[in-house]
Amino acid sequence: EVQLLESGGGLVQPGGSLRLSCAASGFTFSSYAMSWVRQAPGKGLEWVSGISGSGGSTYYADSLRGRFTISRDNSKNTLYLQMNSLRAEDTAVYYCAKDYGSGSYLEYWGQGTLVTVSS
Amino acid sequence: QLVLTQSPSASASLGASVKLTCTLSSGHSTYAIAWHQQQPEKGPRYLMKLNSDGSHTKGDGIPDRFSGSSSGAERYLTISSLQSEDEADYYCQTWGTGIHKVFGGGTKLTVL
Repeated sequence: EVQLLESGGGLVQPGGSLRLSCAASGFTFSSYAMSWVRQAPGKGLEWVSGISGSGGSTYYADSLRGRFTISRDNSKNTLYLQMNSLRAEDTAVYYCAKDYGSGSYLEYWGQGTLVTVSS
Repeated sequence: QLVLTQSPSASASLGASVKLTCTLSSGHSTYAIAWHQQQPEKGPRYLMKLNSDGSHTKGDGIPDRFSGSSSGAERYLTISSLQSEDEADYYCQTWGTGIHKVFGGGTKLTVL
């Protein structure tokens, strides 16, 4: 059974940093691309970032302007999202998701972790 | 630009059927999409991948009541024999260059 468990969310002040983690199990982690998707309160889903199975290729939503960094540790079956220079508009539930294959549709989702950016 | 358009809301009666629509932007009518369901206060759940020819691949445990079809740039999700637990937000999603993903704005389905 595929399981994705996010952690690391919380309350952070504007301009601060936070690192999210996603522990994966139930599949060969290194064989699949992974993504982060966020959902602001009362809003729809927004793709944030994706990474290839090897970690050698990374992709970001244009709106992030280099503030976020996605990475993975295949030896630990864990996906990360380093978020810097956080703004109020980054407040959202952040979901980890497993891509189908090398990157197409999102096949499995985690339960999400809430990030609140506020002073 | 790759854009997915969904109606913000839909409603249907318990036991009836409903057809939700996701429209691909001009020039992208051959793209496949995926449908995802998000029940209240829960994370999203993958329902199916839907190809331009209407063939679809459902996720684990998705009931036969959920089906997909396509016509031109439109991708449909049909839910038959509506149940109360089908009341949810439904999102379509496609993919572009690399691993980039695009989501539609979502349709909130109310079961009357």
